Amino acid sequence: GAVVSQHPSRVICKSGTSVKIECRSLDFQATTMFWYRQFPKQSLMLMATSNEGSKATYEQGVEKDKFLINHASLTLSTLTVTSAHPEDSSFYICSATHGTIGGMDTQYFGPGTRLTVL
Amino acid sequence: AQSVTQPDIHITVSEGASLELRCNYSYGATPYLFWYVQSPGQGLQLLLKYFSGDTLVQGIKGFEAEFKRSQSSFNLRKPSVHWSDAAEYFCAAPDSWGKLQFGAGTQVVVTP
Repeated sequence: GAVVSQHPSRVICKSGTSVKIECRSLDFQATTMFWYRQFPKQSLMLMATSNEGSKATYEQGVEKDKFLINHASLTLSTLTVTSAHPEDSSFYICSATHGTIGGMDTQYFGPGTRLTVL
Repeated sequence: AQSVTQPDIHITVSEGASLELRCNYSYGATPYLFWYVQSPGQGLQLLLKYFSGDTLVQGIKGFEAEFKRSQSSFNLRKPSVHWSDAAEYFCAAPDSWGKLQFGAGTQVVVTP
């Protein structure tokens, strides 16, 4: 149980275009989903936290107009990278939690999406 | 500030040998603690977690971890590593707002 999928696993796009990444919880309802970015040989950097039906909370330094997050249902969150540029190339990983233990729930991670902007 | 530290960036171990990965935390209260593993180009897989109770936690793939409050540590161990254990390992703990704080990660290389 607690499987999280991401689609696509890999995407290459031209500079200036927008890219949408989907994150789905397959066998549980995710009250909260998180979006991370990971640079090569580095740990994960939290970009934003999203709760179903409400606006995402972005971390300091993350442009909300560039990284649009929508959490329309309890099983789906999307990250749209708008007007992508080469510096947006990275590995994007989502995670999801179910239930509530004062917010300290286990996060289950998706397999990640490799974005390359040419 | 709350933080998680993994002192070892890189560890090389022979197949069949034992493995121990260190993790130290800096939290006021006893935190929830997690170990995740990441294979190249993949997401993170949960190995085990500690919330409370027995300080020795068993996880998947033959891993275990021991919570030691006196040392602020949550080290991960495996008695006999397999070539498939080569990966990046992350220790993590949520902060007061539920955001996971990750250690820098430990790269494990397994030699024949």
